[in-house]
Amino acid sequence: SQQGEEDPQALSIQEGENATMNCSYKTSINNLQWYRQNSGRGLVHLILIRSNEREKHSGRLRVTLDTSKKSSSLLITASRAADTASYFCATVPKGGATNKLIFGTGTLLAVQP
Amino acid sequence: NAGVTQTPKFRVLKTGQSMTLLCAQDMNHEYMYWYRQDPGMGLRLIHYSVGEGTTAKGEVPDGYNVSRLKKQNFLLGLESAAPSQTSVYFCASSHGPSMRFGPGTRLTVT
Repeated sequence: SQQGEEDPQALSIQEGENATMNCSYKTSINNLQWYRQNSGRGLVHLILIRSNEREKHSGRLRVTLDTSKKSSSLLITASRAADTASYFCATVPKGGATNKLIFGTGTLLAVQP
Repeated sequence: NAGVTQTPKFRVLKTGQSMTLLCAQDMNHEYMYWYRQDPGMGLRLIHYSVGEGTTAKGEVPDGYNVSRLKKQNFLLGLESAAPSQTSVYFCASSHGPSMRFGPGTRLTVT
């Protein structure tokens, strides 16, 4: 069964706007990761946040983690047309096999030029 | 280096036929994985390997077999393909906590 559920399922914004997508998960985790998938391509790792971290930045990406609510958010600032892709959260459950990621269902982001 | 490569990129099978998907990585990663991706369901883990000569079942292993005879290769086999196995298959490898994915194999079973 899926560990993560992303919200919204689809998001359409204008270039230059910020995009926020959320992920909720069911069980305690070691870490949570976000991946991007361009249409017809494999997934690309974006950022990892550990269970003892609350916020992390990488370039135009900002990830937050609230372990009490079992949720995470990914913020992409000043979006570009090239950010159009599907975004997936993935978790490593606490006590589970190391490196065995469980993926959510994804958010499809469309950035209009 | 090429990262993770998958062969073939596309394949159409008839029900009952067999095939093998090949994944190769040149990063000396210990861990390798096979996922399938279906619309609206994200990625689901089929089988994985924590090192040469080892394999383990994931979330949806039925109908698939795997082998990891060499560290750099991870093979996924379908012995008797079924229409329910129509999907996009992704191989991934890892050394640390994040994964590196291949470009995918689009398989259609008619």
